[in-house]
Amino acid sequence: NAGVTQTPKFQVLKTGQSMTLQCAQDMNHEYMSWYRQDPGMGLRLIHYSVGAGITDQGEVPNGYNVSRSTTEDFPLRLLSAAPSQTSVYFCASSYSGAALQYFGPGTRLTVT
Amino acid sequence: GEDVEQSLFLSVREGDSSVINCTYTDSSSTYLYWYKQEPGAGLQLLTYIFSNMDMKQDQRLTVLLNKKDKHLSLRIADTQTGDSAIYFCAESIRDMRFGAGTRLTVKP
Repeated sequence: NAGVTQTPKFQVLKTGQSMTLQCAQDMNHEYMSWYRQDPGMGLRLIHYSVGAGITDQGEVPNGYNVSRSTTEDFPLRLLSAAPSQTSVYFCASSYSGAALQYFGPGTRLTVT
Repeated sequence: GEDVEQSLFLSVREGDSSVINCTYTDSSSTYLYWYKQEPGAGLQLLTYIFSNMDMKQDQRLTVLLNKKDKHLSLRIADTQTGDSAIYFCAESIRDMRFGAGTRLTVKP
């Protein structure tokens, strides 16, 4: 199993550009989530999904969209990037619920 | 703001024991976790403890949970330079909440 994979590893965007961060897992996990990690802070939950077709907002959802058309994939979309979205983004998944999540390697995003 | 708090830095000598402490606020947390993050990498689930347990031991790792004080600790015995990393405490109820992370530095 590859576990949780994320692409790209690094990305630089200009303010106002849009992009999609990809996340996939091959463990048949129902629960998937996106977090952002900023210096000196813990991870903060952006959006999560408890199964295909179901998504919900986390602590910091503004500026981000998600969809879950398949069990395996959970992309995160930035509609109009802002410098405040410069961060490291982590995708995670678990068999059921928020417990025992496994994390991907992260995407480091810089918005200039 | 964060509901999970931990000190930001800890420095120990190789071979000593390390103790990383964490306090949480939600008494209904079902699981409490320790994750390890090495530079440039994702979070690795180190260990976890159910809220109805007081202690869990896994090789060099010992987790202690004091539910009355909402205090969680991670003890690493015989700390090695490879243990240098950031350690995150986390709790989960409906979602998962993380502390800011403790940067452990192990000096030879």
